[in-house]
Order: sequence, then C-alpha cells, then structure tokens
Amino acid sequence: RKEVEQDPGPFNVPEGATVAFNCTYSNSASQSFFWYRQDCRKEPKLLMSVYSSGNEDGRFTAQLNRASQYISLLIRDSKLSDSATYLCVVNLPANDYKLSFGAGTTVTVRA
Amino acid sequence: DTGVSQNPRHKITKRGQNVTFRCDPISEHNRLYWYRQTLGQGPEFLTYFQNEAQLEKSRLLSDRFSAERPKGSFSTLEIQRTEQGDSAMYLCASSSTVLQEPWETQYFGPGTRLLVL
Repeated sequence: RKEVEQDPGPFNVPEGATVAFNCTYSNSASQSFFWYRQDCRKEPKLLMSVYSSGNEDGRFTAQLNRASQYISLLIRDSKLSDSATYLCVVNLPANDYKLSFGAGTTVTVRA
Repeated sequence: DTGVSQNPRHKITKRGQNVTFRCDPISEHNRLYWYRQTLGQGPEFLTYFQNEAQLEKSRLLSDRFSAERPKGSFSTLEIQRTEQGDSAMYLCASSSTVLQEPWETQYFGPGTRLLVL
C-alpha cells in the first residue's frame, strides 16, 4: 500500500467554482502534513501546511482528519491560475527529513 | 536569485554514459535532499545530507548512484552507467533546522530533467 494516495483527477471546473479533493495516508504516526502545488514541468512549491484544527489561506482551506487518516484541500472561487497538480505530502516524526508525496491531483480551471 | 538552483536543467545522454548533476541550496540551509520524479508520480526521496554528512539513502539509490556534499554547501548527484529507467526529473531541495519555523519547510529547485536514450 502506498504511503500517500490521491485521486489523480483530473478535476475540470469552471472559473468561480469550488473544488475539493482528499488524500489518505497509511501511517497513523504521520505528524506533519502539507499541500504542495506543481505546475507542468516545474518544481513543487509549498502551498500550505495543514494544522490539526484545519486552516485557511485565502481561497484555500485544508482539513486534517486523523481518525480517518485523510487530508482535504478545498479551493473556493477557482481562478484559471489555480490549474495545477496538487501534491499531498506527509512525514513521520522519526524521519522528519523525508517527505512522502502522493502522485498528485490534477485540477484544470476553464474559462 | 536566492532560491535553490540546479544545473544542468536538461540532460540527454546515451545508455551507459555517466552523468553528474549539481545542486546549490539556499545559502543558510543546512539540510539538502535529492528526490526523483517520474511522469505521473510524486517525487520520491533518494537521499539527504545534514551539512556534509549523508545521513540516509533510499533503497531506490542503487550502487550506480552516488551523492556528495563535500563542504556542506553545494551537492552533486552522479549516475554511472545510465539506464533508460533512470530517465526522470531529479529534484533537489533544501531546508534549515535552525530557522524559527513551525515546520521545517523544504524548498525545491527547478530540477534536472534526464533523458537516457
């Protein structure tokens, strides 16, 4: 079983729509959680860290459910520039240097 | 530009040749990481350094792969006797264990895209 699993999508949504997707992680000891964004043929960039209580950053909301071992990302009022692959990332306290990435969820926002 | 830089950005080589990639981390960062990413997958951890010490190597890193960080600054990743399966994007990242951040954030370079013919 992969450490981090994501629905690959693609999610095709119109501008202004809300889109949400989850990822699940296999190791219950996972401690830190992140969403990275990756544009086509570019490097991953940190979008946001995920706090236990959930957190917002502008139009982006991340939630963590430790009991069910999943993390969600919701994008409100989608912009064309939100089109990207969103990578779910976790790491373990024992290996805090090693990020485990999901394969990514592709979001395409159309005009 | 004070971000992570990698050279070359692209490399095409023939099977059996050796290749070397370079990564320059953010200057105050003491940790440096190498990841490999293939099409449709997320990056996979290969190895990491804390200062000049290589502290872990993934089982993905076969004997043909070697990484160094001789002075605790830039790092090189060498692949000997390349195989077609080595074709991938090789990403370098750096982070700091001493900066006051709630979480240690890894910052990625633009990657080196390797194609083995």
